[in-house]
Amino acid sequence: DTGVSQDPRHKITKRGQNVTFRCDPISEHNRLYWYRQTLGQGPEFLTYFQNEAQLEKSRLLSDRFSAERPKGSFSTLEIQRTEQGDSAMYLCASSLGGGPQHFGDGTRLSIL
Amino acid sequence: GENVEQHPSTLSVQEGDSAVIKCTYSDSASNYFPWYKQELGKRPQLIIDIRSNVGEKKDQRIAVTLNKTAKHFSLHITETQPEDSAVYFCAASVVPNDYKLSFGAGTTVTVRA
Repeated sequence: DTGVSQDPRHKITKRGQNVTFRCDPISEHNRLYWYRQTLGQGPEFLTYFQNEAQLEKSRLLSDRFSAERPKGSFSTLEIQRTEQGDSAMYLCASSLGGGPQHFGDGTRLSIL
Repeated sequence: GENVEQHPSTLSVQEGDSAVIKCTYSDSASNYFPWYKQELGKRPQLIIDIRSNVGEKKDQRIAVTLNKTAKHFSLHITETQPEDSAVYFCAASVVPNDYKLSFGAGTTVTVRA
C-alpha cells in the first residue's frame, strides 16, 4: 500500500463549473478526513467520515460542497458552482480509529 | 472551537544549530498534538506526536515538549541539516471525542549550509 492517493492532482476550471475530487485512503483505515489549505496557511478541517457515515461538517463547508463515502472506502468531494474563493489545495487524510492521520498529496484547484 | 497559534512564522538557522517552534492552544480538552512537515508541493508528513499523558517525547534529532498547564507545546530539532528545510505545522485535537485536527499557520524553516 502506497498511502493515501488523491485524484486529480491539479484541476483548472472556470467559475461556475462543478468539480469532483476523489480520495482513496489507506486500505484498512476506517476514518477519512477532508481539509482545505490555502497558500501560507495550515490545513483547515472540512468534514470527516467514520466508515460510510459523515460525522461532522465544518461551517466552512457551504451547501455548494458535498462529500460522500458510499461504501466506506474511497470518498468524493464535489463543489458545485465554483467561485474564485474555492481556489485552494484540497487534502484528504485517513486514520485507523483515533490513530495518526496520514495525508495524501492533495488536489490543487484553480478557478479561472 | 480550538485555536492554535504558532511562532515564529519563519526561522533561519545555520546547519548544525537547533531550531525551536512553539505553539499554543486554547481548548483545555485538547489531548493529542501532532507535528507535520510539508515540503514544497508535497503532502504533510507526520514527524512526531505527543499525547497529554506525557510531557516529552523524542525521536532521534526531533523532540516535542508539552506544558498542559500553560497550554503550549514545542518542537525541537537538533543538529539541523539542509533536508530539514520545510514548512512545519503543529496541530491539536481531542481524542476520542473529536478527531479533527486544528492546525497552526506553519513555520517555514530554512537551514543554511
